Amino acid sequence: AQRVTQPEKLLSVFKGAPVELKCNYSYSGSPELFWYVQYSRQRLQLLLRHISRESIKGFTADLNKGETSFHLKKPFAQEEDSAMYYCALKLDAGGTSYGKLTFGQGTILTVHP
Amino acid sequence: DARVTQTPRHKVTEMGQEVTMRCQPILGHNTVFWYRQTMMQGLELLAYFRNRAPLDDSGMPKDRFSAEMPDATLATLKIQPSEPRDSAVYFCASSGTGGSGANVLTFGAGSRLTVL
Repeated sequence: AQRVTQPEKLLSVFKGAPVELKCNYSYSGSPELFWYVQYSRQRLQLLLRHISRESIKGFTADLNKGETSFHLKKPFAQEEDSAMYYCALKLDAGGTSYGKLTFGQGTILTVHP
Repeated sequence: DARVTQTPRHKVTEMGQEVTMRCQPILGHNTVFWYRQTMMQGLELLAYFRNRAPLDDSGMPKDRFSAEMPDATLATLKIQPSEPRDSAVYFCASSGTGGSGANVLTFGAGSRLTVL
């Protein structure tokens, strides 16, 4: 069965420090990975997806199939990055896309001034 | 800016009472999801629909939870009877198919349920 693991429930860093939020997955098929973010008092929203290979708000994430990981990184954290971050995995449903996502447990990132 | 609308935003009820949460997906989105968010479990998928047909509700306790989509503009999640362990934030999300937006979920603001 597919699974997404975010080993850190809480992560604290100081402003300007590098940050890495870990995500590991288990799935035998061809995965599509996402990072969603929930800022305080805001809706859960897409941050980035691996197929886009883009940097959003300074964050990047590389899919490492050998290590089955999709860690989220930012070289210099900002206070406004403080939020809940969820890693999510979409199953490869034989080419028919239903968009079903399995989420990890989430990591609360706090960036201190 | 298209949004997923959920009601109620907050609900406090007593154990044993029926709770109904409603969701209006984004117009044109044909896949609708119900997730439950707790600190311990994170985001758990309860059920989801495509073109109003239930595809998977294995994450939902069948004895007390039910999910329906009576039409393309309304999805409902009902708990009867409610229990204190159901206290959580319930999110509805929708997605379309095809194009760059496929597989990208748009979430509602959530319904925060407290069962006393």
